[in-house]
Amino acid sequence: GAGVSQSPRYKVAKRGQDVALRCDPISGHVSLFWYQQALGQGPEFLTYFQNEAQLDKSGLPSDRFFAERPEGSVSTLKIQRTQQEDSAVYLCASSPVLAPDTQYFGPGTRLTVL
Amino acid sequence: QKEVEQDPGPLSVPEGAIVSLNCTYSNSAFQYFMWYRQYSRKGPELLMYTYSSGNKEDGRFTAQVDKSSKYISLFIRDSQPSDSATYLCATSGGSYIPTFGRGTSLIVHP
Repeated sequence: GAGVSQSPRYKVAKRGQDVALRCDPISGHVSLFWYQQALGQGPEFLTYFQNEAQLDKSGLPSDRFFAERPEGSVSTLKIQRTQQEDSAVYLCASSPVLAPDTQYFGPGTRLTVL
Repeated sequence: QKEVEQDPGPLSVPEGAIVSLNCTYSNSAFQYFMWYRQYSRKGPELLMYTYSSGNKEDGRFTAQVDKSSKYISLFIRDSQPSDSATYLCATSGGSYIPTFGRGTSLIVHP
């Protein structure tokens, strides 16, 4: 079956622009996670949804970052007024349950802020 | 100091070698331990999962956790060029949200 998909795969933004990154989880997966992976680093947790409820947003680095999952399926990560330090790969993962070994990752969106 | 420390490498080995990858962690509350494999321009995929201390074997891969020393290892036997990737260790506690190491780049040359 289809895995987690993300779009766009690559995004180039000028500093100060707003961007929106989309995640399509595996059908039926209730849990959805966003991570930020800087070059040469491991993924860092940003936020977590269970269905449409955002249960943990402790990893969002600033109030310029906003995530939503209004119908409990597709999720969007929005970054306002992008800065160069926002350049990274943004990974989405979905899971059928909240457990340590059930996350399936998408290929990521590579964001470059000029 | 990061909660999970991992040498970034790169680690270059000949085909057929035994590979040892390691991480240390600092939070004694962590009780779930994972190894992910990440190919270039792909998302991580779960390779091995261990709960608490002990060993777990799956084919050519063995994961080992020593909670007393906060040390986790992944061994790959008979390494293949297709094993060339970045290997990420990760740990979590009751929240199940993983904390990742920075990854070790492995290159297996024919």
